[in-house]
Amino acid sequence: EPEVTQTPSHQVTQMGQEVILRCVPISNHLYFYWYRQILGQKVEFLVSFYNNEISEKSEIFDDQFSVERPDGSNFTLKIRSTKLEDSAMYFCASSEGLRSSPLHFGNGTRLTVT
Amino acid sequence: GQNIDQPTEMTATEGAIVQINCTYQTSGFNGLFWYQQHAGEAPTFLSYNVLDGLEEKGRFSSFLSRSKGYSYLLLKELQMKDSASYLCAVSPHDSGAGSYQLTFGKGTKLSVIP
Repeated sequence: EPEVTQTPSHQVTQMGQEVILRCVPISNHLYFYWYRQILGQKVEFLVSFYNNEISEKSEIFDDQFSVERPDGSNFTLKIRSTKLEDSAMYFCASSEGLRSSPLHFGNGTRLTVT
Repeated sequence: GQNIDQPTEMTATEGAIVQINCTYQTSGFNGLFWYQQHAGEAPTFLSYNVLDGLEEKGRFSSFLSRSKGYSYLLLKELQMKDSASYLCAVSPHDSGAGSYQLTFGKGTKLSVIP
């Protein structure tokens, strides 16, 4: 069964550094998402992406965050200047885009900001 | 705003039946999803309800009442591997670009004991 893949599985960075989290969505999916989950808390929506542009973003997704689809397969999340509170598990997801289409999540990147 | 409530923890015995409740108040409604999340792993899709009533899928069933803003997930013939968090998620609105992003509850941690 096709799956969403994310790299790296774990990233440690120092406060103020830039990080790029990478995702390869399922190939025939059209809608891509980033979510985050702070340890012990709920899964939170960050941003959705369709047709090479952001279709929706949450309040969390401020100017420090950006997304890009640099080629036909990768989907990236960049955090420009990381803060301690950015430490979380970041999940990429994709879907076919129908109302009933479930989101398929990758295994996540655990980001630790020190 | 969006508000999704579920019990924090539940314990049930192997072989038994357990019902996990979810109540929601959201701006708009495009369906309710249940996901399973094992510790340290990605959420995986279990079920989708958009119309009132019961959807059955093997050992798992999900019920929806839109007028009451209420859903439950029913797990039958519990197995040890069912120990996980169960996440209730609502697709609150259509952004207009097909971005059916999900708003998640905090999840119910189910422990199955022998």
